[in-house]
Amino acid sequence: DSGVTQTPKHLITATGQRVTLRCSPRSGDLSVYWYQQSLDQGLQFLIQYYNGEERAKGNILERFSAQQFPDLHSELNLSSLELGDSALYFCASNGQGAIWETQYFGPGTRLLVL
Amino acid sequence: GQQVMQIPQYQHVQEGEDFTTYCNSSTTLSNIQWYKQRPGGHPVFLIQLVKSGEVKKQKRLTFQFGEAKKNSSLHITATQTTDVGTYFCAADRGNTDKLIFGTGTRLQVFP
Repeated sequence: DSGVTQTPKHLITATGQRVTLRCSPRSGDLSVYWYQQSLDQGLQFLIQYYNGEERAKGNILERFSAQQFPDLHSELNLSSLELGDSALYFCASNGQGAIWETQYFGPGTRLLVL
Repeated sequence: GQQVMQIPQYQHVQEGEDFTTYCNSSTTLSNIQWYKQRPGGHPVFLIQLVKSGEVKKQKRLTFQFGEAKKNSSLHITATQTTDVGTYFCAADRGNTDKLIFGTGTRLQVFP
């Protein structure tokens, strides 16, 4: 158990819909990362937050957005969902958000868009 | 797109055989991390390499960072069924705030 929690575990929805994925970082960690893992794909970095502020952006679509709240939990919002958005979405956290720090991954949210 | 290539994509070995996965970049890397993801699980950090030519060992696992800091390898000696999973390298090029993950090598170990 990494100490990072993600909800929900599974999500099934239809194309065109909007969903929100939630992540709580390890106690004391200030930085949260979001990744997308599609079938047979590696981990695609989406976005990073540090203490409530966006720190780094990866290949995140405009239909996706995220935020980190004052209590440091983070939410990833996916809208106008398409079939290709079906994937595992991981959240990771670390203390200071430094690139050399270990990232601790949550169990992931499996999203299926029908 | 991916800037860190990992090979092979898949490897099936008999228990007891050795296994190696390679991570290659066209640019110099600041540091490299290795993660393991068990089937149905999440990535778990294994190790980080920072220095040119660095070699680190964890029991049957040996990690190496190339002299030019453009490649890395993970070698498992005498594989066991518990080694099954996907092994990812993740690299930092030093000029971004992002870790770039390799495509991963999926290891299957047959008893």
